[in-house]
Amino acid sequence: NAGVMQNPRHLVRRRGQEARLRCSPVKGHSHVYWYRQLPEEGLKFMVYLQKENIIDESGMPKERFSAEFPKEGPSILRIQQVVRGDSAAYFCASSPGGGAEAFFGQGTRLTVV
Amino acid sequence: QKEVEQDPGPLSVPEGAIVSLNCTYSNSAFQYFMWYRQYSRKGPELLMYTYSSGNKEDGRFTAQVDKSSKYISLFIRDSQPSDSATYLCAMSQANAGNMLTFGGGTRLMVKP
Repeated sequence: NAGVMQNPRHLVRRRGQEARLRCSPVKGHSHVYWYRQLPEEGLKFMVYLQKENIIDESGMPKERFSAEFPKEGPSILRIQQVVRGDSAAYFCASSPGGGAEAFFGQGTRLTVV
Repeated sequence: QKEVEQDPGPLSVPEGAIVSLNCTYSNSAFQYFMWYRQYSRKGPELLMYTYSSGNKEDGRFTAQVDKSSKYISLFIRDSQPSDSATYLCAMSQANAGNMLTFGGGTRLMVKP
């Protein structure tokens, strides 16, 4: 009974490179959420997706960040042209419905050097 | 002012103590209230999930919500060293799915 799976767990990128973070939700969950946790700060909502749809991206930076949740395969959070300020832990959560409890993955720790 | 305020701690207690963790919030539209536990370099783990005002108990954990005061609490009875972690409160509005607004977390240390 696998929970939310995120990979890679650790990712190092040089400034200007692209980062791709993957999230496989709990089997049967069709709602996916991405959060970012900056050092010494709480989690901040980024984007809410259902299969093939972005429901709410009000927490996403306007540039360089994008997310998708295709019909098949994991959800992807993509960060283009990374900068040092993108260094953070990125967490994915999933739920079976919009109002049900969300379960988090172990996160991807992105370090930009 | 942050929407959700939480004392960062650290809160240090002896083993067996009753722990009280609290959050205040400013947005009266919040309807769902959650407590997560996060161990160092791990993902948040859902402990309690409550809707609107009232109490909910699960084993050693009790969650309380007072919407009139915009104040939520988590009580841990018979605290154990394994409870040492950061505790995050989170909340969301009705029809907002799990677009959660988190507090900054309280770091708890339970000493043997």
